[in-house]
Amino acid sequence: AQSVSQHNHHVILSEAASLELGCNYSYGGTVNLFWYVQYPGQHLQLLLKYFSGDPLVKGIKGFEAEFIKSKFSFNLRKPSVQWSDTAEYFCAVNGNYGQNFVFGPGTRLSVLP
Amino acid sequence: NAGVTQTPKFQVLKTGQSMTLQCAQDMNHNSMYWYRQDPGMGLRLIYYSASEGTTDKGEVPNGYNVSRLNKREFSLRLESAAPSQTSVYFCASRLQGSNNQPQHFGDGTRLSIL
Repeated sequence: AQSVSQHNHHVILSEAASLELGCNYSYGGTVNLFWYVQYPGQHLQLLLKYFSGDPLVKGIKGFEAEFIKSKFSFNLRKPSVQWSDTAEYFCAVNGNYGQNFVFGPGTRLSVLP
Repeated sequence: NAGVTQTPKFQVLKTGQSMTLQCAQDMNHNSMYWYRQDPGMGLRLIYYSASEGTTDKGEVPNGYNVSRLNKREFSLRLESAAPSQTSVYFCASRLQGSNNQPQHFGDGTRLSIL
């Protein structure tokens, strides 16, 4: 069965600090990988996705993620965070032969002004 | 273009009451999903509908039923609400055909069972 783990439950950073959120998945086949963001009181929105090609993918709002197949990882990065990046971040995976997404437990990011 | 619309946004129920959460999408998506979100547990799939006329259980289906009324609408019913069902419920939809398509989420229904 697929599973997704996220390394950090809660990350606290100051504005302008660099961000890296870890995501590891467990799945034997070809996967599609996603990062979603949930701002306080809002629904999940897609930040970026990877399904093939360049393992470094760029998303909205300056976020990027790198797929490292050998490590089963898809870590999210941003060089310089802003207060407005305060949100919860979810990594998700679905396999090429399945309908369902599996979400990680989420990482809460707090950016201090 | 509204995307995925969920109603109601908030609801308080007493134990044993029944309730239907409504979801509609206007993106002509084939697949629709119901999740519950609980602190520290991410999103857990309750039921999904790969296409109109089909529904399947997800990870946590007990205590819930669903109806795919038509291509646009996918409702979630709690027949006899229990406090353990206190959660935030999200509906999502997705264009079937390629598994790299993301899901699109509604704003959620915050449900409290007393």
